[in-house]
Formats: sequence, C-alpha cells, structure tokens
Amino acid sequence: QQQVKQSPQSLIVQKGGISIINCAYENTAFDYFPWYQQFPGKGPALLIAIRPDVSEKKEGRFTISFNKSAKQFSLHIMDSQPGDSATYFCAARNSGGGADGLTFGKGTHLIIQP
Amino acid sequence: AAGVIQSPRHLIKEKRETATLKCYPIPRHDTVYWYQQGPGQDPQFLISFYEKMQSDKGSIPDRFSAQQFSDYHSELNMSSLELGDSALYFCASSFMATFGANVLTFGAGSRLTVL
Repeated sequence: QQQVKQSPQSLIVQKGGISIINCAYENTAFDYFPWYQQFPGKGPALLIAIRPDVSEKKEGRFTISFNKSAKQFSLHIMDSQPGDSATYFCAARNSGGGADGLTFGKGTHLIIQP
Repeated sequence: AAGVIQSPRHLIKEKRETATLKCYPIPRHDTVYWYQQGPGQDPQFLISFYEKMQSDKGSIPDRFSAQQFSDYHSELNMSSLELGDSALYFCASSFMATFGANVLTFGAGSRLTVL
C-alpha cells in the first residue's frame, strides 16, 4: 500500500508556466513533508519542506501548500525554467519516530519546454 | 561543504556473488539511511542506523545486511545477488534532533548491475 500518493506521473509545462505536483498521505502520524528534486544519475536533493503547523511555505519560485484536514500537500513551481526539468518526489515521515526512513511518493517526471 | 560520500559509484557483479557498498556521512551526522531505487522507481527505504545501532528497518531482503561503524560510516553488504538487485543504492545522513524533523542529505548513489 502506497502511503504517499503522488500525481501526476509526468508533466509537461511551457517555460514561464506554473508546475503543480500533488501528493496525498494516509498516515496521520506523518508530520514532516519534504520535496526532493532528482536529476538522472544523481541522488535526491532536498528542495523545500513543510510541517503541518503551517499551510504554506515559499522559497524563491517554489511553494508548498499544505491541507492538513484533507491530508494533501502540493508543490508549485512558478516561472518554470528548462533547468527545472527533473523528477520530483514528495515524501513524508514521522519525525517523532527516531531514525524512521522517509516514505516517498512514486515521483513526477517534469519536463519544461523552452 | 562536505557531502555524503558513497563508494563505489559503479559496481558490476555476477548472480550469486556478494557486493559491499560504503557510505561516509556528512561530518557530525550521526544517522545513516540506505535506500534502493530501481529504474524509474521511487527510492525504497532499506534500513537506518543511529549512533551505530540499527534504528529502523524497511524492505531490506534477508540477503542484505548493514552496519554503522565507530567513525559513523556505514556498509551495506549484499549476498547471493539476484538480477533484481540491480539498482541505484543511495545513502543519506542526518543529525538527529531532539525535536523536529532531521533533514536527510543524500549521496550520489552507487549503481549496482547484476549480470
């Protein structure tokens, strides 16, 4: 059972547009929600993260929106650029669970067309 | 800034052979995580260690074992390799915080190919 469901699986956006990736989770014990960006052959790199005590967090062109009641969170990439083309993973964990591993979504392959 | 160092970067083995992957965490990080990522798949959590003790266990096969040493580096040992073990293996490290979530930093990965 996939504890973190991510959509869409792939996304094509024109340069300058807004890329939106959605995730939903089941485990109410999750209290830390990071987004990772991964380029081919590289390790995932932390992009931005949010805790459920806030509904939105913005860092540059990247914004996380969080809806605790719906158990959903999303990543918005404003003014999308070709360099943003990568695979994006949402993730979740129970931060009170010690060294519990992150649970990842299935990933979204994002292509920004010039 | 120092990152998570993994070695080797690439490894080719035959079926039924044994492989060992090494991970050197960021200095002062006390927690190490191992993940397996198949082609086009999301990273799957295998196992983690905190202060040299196994902390959490995910979908790690019984043929695999791992440990964290006194200098905090970790090794993932894989025996009786199968074709399905071909994947990217990532190590991540973090500094365990008393409160709040600790941030995982991933290494560049070790690509294992089993022939």
